[in-house]
Amino acid sequence: DIVMTQSPLSLSVTPGEPASISCRSSQSLLYIGGNNYLDWYLQKPGQSPQLLIYMGSNRASGVPDRFSGSGSGTDFTLKISRVEAEDVGVYYCMQGLQTPRTFGQGTKVEVK
Amino acid sequence: VQLVESGGGLVKPGGSLTLSCAASGFTFSTYWMSWVRQAPGKGLEWVGRSRNKANGYITEYAASVKGRFTLSRDDSKNSLYLQMTSLKTEDTAVYYCVSWVQGAALYWGQGTLVTVSS
Repeated sequence: DIVMTQSPLSLSVTPGEPASISCRSSQSLLYIGGNNYLDWYLQKPGQSPQLLIYMGSNRASGVPDRFSGSGSGTDFTLKISRVEAEDVGVYYCMQGLQTPRTFGQGTKVEVK
Repeated sequence: VQLVESGGGLVKPGGSLTLSCAASGFTFSTYWMSWVRQAPGKGLEWVGRSRNKANGYITEYAASVKGRFTLSRDDSKNSLYLQMTSLKTEDTAVYYCVSWVQGAALYWGQGTLVTVSS
């Protein structure tokens, strides 16, 4: 199975400041056509997870443009350009290249 | 779009339970569907998936549940099911019904809690 490793596991950010979460995979997620099979999800407190970014860098519908995904192969980053209070929650990366799908441990983001 | 899970509850170790997921607002039959679970205070774990008709309704499972859980779907009822047998305490979790688009988990249900305890 592909192992997904996130860092940091927790983050405390001042509103308006940027934030960055790293995700590394044990195998390359780059596939034919240049697509990276890496998604980002946010689970807000008390809610189901929601898709933020798919294929490494594509924002899902309705996701604010302050969220961006980058990276290729085994190293990926989720960036929030200016954190807002509503961004609190746990962020997960997930690989979509192989079955079983595997998630990172999660990064808990707190807004000061 | 709505995914509504039901069937969760308290069951003894070794027991069985069947979860259901009722889908609406999208063309269920064309989507790959899966179950993802989350143990209390823990992260997300992919349980298994059902491909759509065009892909032969193939089912795949996580090693932790293979041989004990069976995933099925009824496209005529827009429903997904998870039959769980030989339940273990470590199966205690919220189980989410999830639909997939372009390999990403786009739609999630609200989840149903399964507690395995004596």
